Formats: sequence, C-alpha cells, structure tokens
Amino acid sequence: GAGVSQSPSNKVTEKGKDVELRCDPISGHTALYWYRQSLGQGLEFLIYFQGNSAPDKSGLPSDRFSAERTGGSVSTLTIQRTQQEDSAVYLCASRKDSTDTQYFGPGTRLTVL
Amino acid sequence: KQEVTQIPAALSVPEGENLVLNCSFTDSAIYNLQWFRQDPGKGLTSLLLIQSSQREQTSGRLNASLDKSSGRSTLYIAASQPGDSATYLCAVGRTGFQKLVFGTGTRLLVSP
Repeated sequence: GAGVSQSPSNKVTEKGKDVELRCDPISGHTALYWYRQSLGQGLEFLIYFQGNSAPDKSGLPSDRFSAERTGGSVSTLTIQRTQQEDSAVYLCASRKDSTDTQYFGPGTRLTVL
Repeated sequence: KQEVTQIPAALSVPEGENLVLNCSFTDSAIYNLQWFRQDPGKGLTSLLLIQSSQREQTSGRLNASLDKSSGRSTLYIAASQPGDSATYLCAVGRTGFQKLVFGTGTRLLVSP
C-alpha cells in the first residue's frame, strides 16, 4: 500500500511568514510523529500523536510551532512567524498500534530566507 | 538525557568489503533500537529493529547487534555494494510512546 506522504516537498518562504506542512500517514496507523532534521542539530523529535490522546508536544522548540491531527489521520505542522533557524527538513512518521517500526515520509525541505 | 553517538562519521570502502558501523547510547533504559538508512533527499528507511530483550537481528546481508549493558549496537554489512552508499542512522526508542532519539549518522560510500 501507499507509504507516508508529505506535502509540499519543498517550501521557500520569507522570514516572518507562516507555513503549513502536511503529513498523510499510512492508513490504519494510529501513531504519528513529527521530527526535524537540520545541519546543526541532527534529527530531533518534535511532537507525537496517538489516537485520541492528548499529543506529546515536549519536542516543540517554541510556541511558534503547533500541530494538529484531524480525524486521527492527516496532520498539519504550522510554524508561525518563521525564522531562518527554522530552515530544516521536516519529517513525518507513522506507526501501527502494537508494533514498533516507524515508517517515514520523504520530508518537506523548508528554507526561510 | 539520552545521547546517541555514531562512529565513524564517514566511511569509504571498496565494493565487496565487510564493514561495521557503531552506535553508542548513554542511557541503557531503552525499549528498542532501530537502524535506518537515508538516501540523499529522501526520507528514512527502516533496516532492522532490535527489541531491548534481543541480542541481534538479521536481514539479508545486514546484521545488527545490541549490548544494552555497555550501551552499544553495531550494524554489520557483508559484501558491501555501491547501492549500500547512504547515511546510516541508529535510533533508540524509550518505553511508552517510543519517541526516537537519533544518532549523528555515518555516511557510507562504497566505490565500484
């Protein structure tokens, strides 16, 4: 079946603008994760959704970052008032309940000018 | 705080060589450990997952071992091929929702 998809694949924005990144997990996967991969910080966890439970937001770097997951499926990561240090590849992963392997999407490369 | 380190940072070998990639972690209270490969401009592909109760996992030419007590894992690649060229990442999962903490990665180049 289809894997995790993310859109857009590339996003260039100006400093101060808001951006929305989208993730479509594998159908039937209840767990969804957002990670960020940047040159200086490597790959780091941002936020986790599991079913209808409250998300774990412990990895979000500032209150400019937020995410939601509608209907237990599609997720949107929003970055408000983007800064140059937000430039990175944003990766989404999903996992089927009672299993351990996380499946990653191709990522969205965000460039903030 | 869990920290994951991978050595070497980069490795270049001729085709056909057997090689070992190393991963070390500071907190042995892990749930599992995964090895991924990442190709340029692509996402991550899961290669092997070892549960904390296991010692090793094998898939084709790949073998991953886990020694929780010493905080180490190795990924062994047999008879390397140019198609193995990629960045290899190890990641440890904590109990619970399994947030992954990633290592720094090893960039592998296998020349024909």
